[in-house]
Amino acid sequence: AQSVTQPDIHITVSEGASLELRCNYSYGATPYLFWYVQSPGQGLQLLLKYFSGDTLVQGIKGFEAEFKRSQSSFNLRKPSVHWSDAAEYFCAVGPTLLSNSGGSNYKLTFGKGTLLTVNP
Amino acid sequence: KAGVTQTPRYLIKTRGQQVTLSCSPISGHRSVSWYQQTPGQGLQFLFEYFSETQRNKGNFPGRFSGRQFSNSRSEMNVSTLELGDSALYLCASSLTTPAADTQYFGPGTRLTVL
Repeated sequence: AQSVTQPDIHITVSEGASLELRCNYSYGATPYLFWYVQSPGQGLQLLLKYFSGDTLVQGIKGFEAEFKRSQSSFNLRKPSVHWSDAAEYFCAVGPTLLSNSGGSNYKLTFGKGTLLTVNP
Repeated sequence: KAGVTQTPRYLIKTRGQQVTLSCSPISGHRSVSWYQQTPGQGLQFLFEYFSETQRNKGNFPGRFSGRQFSNSRSEMNVSTLELGDSALYLCASSLTTPAADTQYFGPGTRLTVL
């Protein structure tokens, strides 16, 4: 079954420090990969996505992610964290086979999220 | 362009009642997906609608249902509410396919079941 693992439930960094959030996936083919961010009381906002091509993907707010097929990873990075980056971050993979659909269909499977705290 | 809107933003219901949540997608988007978000289970896929037809369904009981109208607006209904249905319900829209196209999320409806 397809799955997404975000090993770190909670990460604390100091403002100005670098950041790396880990994401590992299990998928039978080349996946579509996404990172979303959720601020308290808000919906999810897309940071970046990987469909194909260059394995280093640039996103909004200074974030980037690198797809490493050999490691089944899609880690999110930012060179210098700002206090406003404090939020919960979700990695997602798709397309996903739905077992009750009788065939391939399209939905995103999300990881459980990593909560980022930024210390001043 | 207006984003995805969800109404109401907050709801308080009691066990056994039913509830209807509404989602208006971004103009031109034809796919609407619904997710349930809880601290324990994270984001779980409920169902997806495209052109007024349910195209995908997650592993939720039949108490959870939805529909989509010709203008792509969608509603989800939960009948016979249980305490465990307390969650943030998120709606997301995309042009055609949730995985291949970017999904844009609404702010969610916070449902509390007492």
